[in-house]
Amino acid sequence: GESVGLHLPTLSVQEGDNSIINCAYSNSASDYFIWYKQESGKGPQFIIDIRSNMDKRQGQRVTVLLNKTVKHLSLQIAATQPGDSAVYFCAERTGANSKLTFGKGITLSVRP
Amino acid sequence: SQTIHQWPATLVQPVGSPLSLECTVEGTSNPNLYWYRQAAGRGLQLLFYSVGIGQISSEVPQNLSASRPQDRQFILSSKKLLLSDSGFYLCAWSVLRETQYFGPGTRLLVL
Repeated sequence: GESVGLHLPTLSVQEGDNSIINCAYSNSASDYFIWYKQESGKGPQFIIDIRSNMDKRQGQRVTVLLNKTVKHLSLQIAATQPGDSAVYFCAERTGANSKLTFGKGITLSVRP
Repeated sequence: SQTIHQWPATLVQPVGSPLSLECTVEGTSNPNLYWYRQAAGRGLQLLFYSVGIGQISSEVPQNLSASRPQDRQFILSSKKLLLSDSGFYLCAWSVLRETQYFGPGTRLLVL
């Protein structure tokens, strides 16, 4: 569960730079991972996913890397734009049901 | 294509009043449906999920309940709201065990 009183960590990047957002997941049996982007006042938006039989997947301007050895997931955003400013959540799926476990979220702030 | 709707978008309710939030999905059949709550500046807490009509699993004991009267309709209810029920309520759907897609959310303020 969540820890009471924690604020979301923030990553600040310069417009045009590449961003790397990291996530440590908890369960070595997790077989599916998703990154979501949430803008203020809106629902989370799917960005990209990856299955545990892969270690890298690329989308448009985004790349997800999975390191199962250390249970680490990262989202790389190329040429970060002001519109990328949002809270980013990683999520993992474990077991036979469809439930996801979400990370606490990281705020990405893009400096002009 | 699939779309998910939630209403109302914003709700201000007094403590002790009832609650009914609605979520509907279009463009898919027999989806898994989920209710989440998100407190300000926090992550997502799964409240309920449903794999079919009338099938509800509760994740967190509380004064909220959920119902699924139709295949693509999911309702979150309360008989008496508490101050702590304030938050951003999100509905999501998925097909089997695949990606969950979220609705626009309902912001609830209990005064």
